[in-house]
Amino acid sequence: EDQVTQSPEALRLQEGESSSLNCSYTVSGLRGLFWYRQDPGKGPEFLFTLYSAGEEKEKERLKATLTKKESFLHITAPKPEDSATYLCAVQGSGNTPLVFGKGTRLSVIA
Amino acid sequence: EPEVTQTPSHQVTQMGQEVILRCVPISNHLYFYWYRQILGQKVEFLVSFYNNEISEKSEIFDDQFSVERPDGSNFTLKIRSTKLEDSAMYFCAGGSGSYEQYFGPGTRLTVT
Repeated sequence: EDQVTQSPEALRLQEGESSSLNCSYTVSGLRGLFWYRQDPGKGPEFLFTLYSAGEEKEKERLKATLTKKESFLHITAPKPEDSATYLCAVQGSGNTPLVFGKGTRLSVIA
Repeated sequence: EPEVTQTPSHQVTQMGQEVILRCVPISNHLYFYWYRQILGQKVEFLVSFYNNEISEKSEIFDDQFSVERPDGSNFTLKIRSTKLEDSAMYFCAGGSGSYEQYFGPGTRLTVT
């Protein structure tokens, strides 16, 4: 069974204080690993797809990396507007549905 | 930039009543999904829909649930007889090649 575990559950940072969020996964035949941002009461907003170990993608202050067992979302010099819950999801081979983790709730304090 | 839209944003219903949640996917999407998120819990897959038929469904998606794409643009989720435990956010999502999935803003369903 595909599983995703995210840590920490919650993270509080000062503005400008860089950090990383972790996503550990087990999946039979990774088709893709996805990062989403979710604001309270809203739908997940797509950020990145990673397909194979060693791959990295960047968008503004965010960088996602992937190994065979985990993915990291690095946040460089965060701002208060980066405060949200960040969700990790995996899709296994055979076009299986996305399996989500519980998310990391990030708070960035000015 | 095109977006997935969902209506209503909030639906309150009594236990045992039928509800229909509506979604308008992005026009070039071919794959459609429904997910739900109970407050404080993970986003959970319900059903996927491709080429006018269900391609996969989860254990949650029992006989009380059904999906339709009645007119080639709308995508609906029907719950025939709602239960208290159906209270959740319901998200519609779509994709063009079954990789990235783009989510709508959700419908908050409250069953009393």
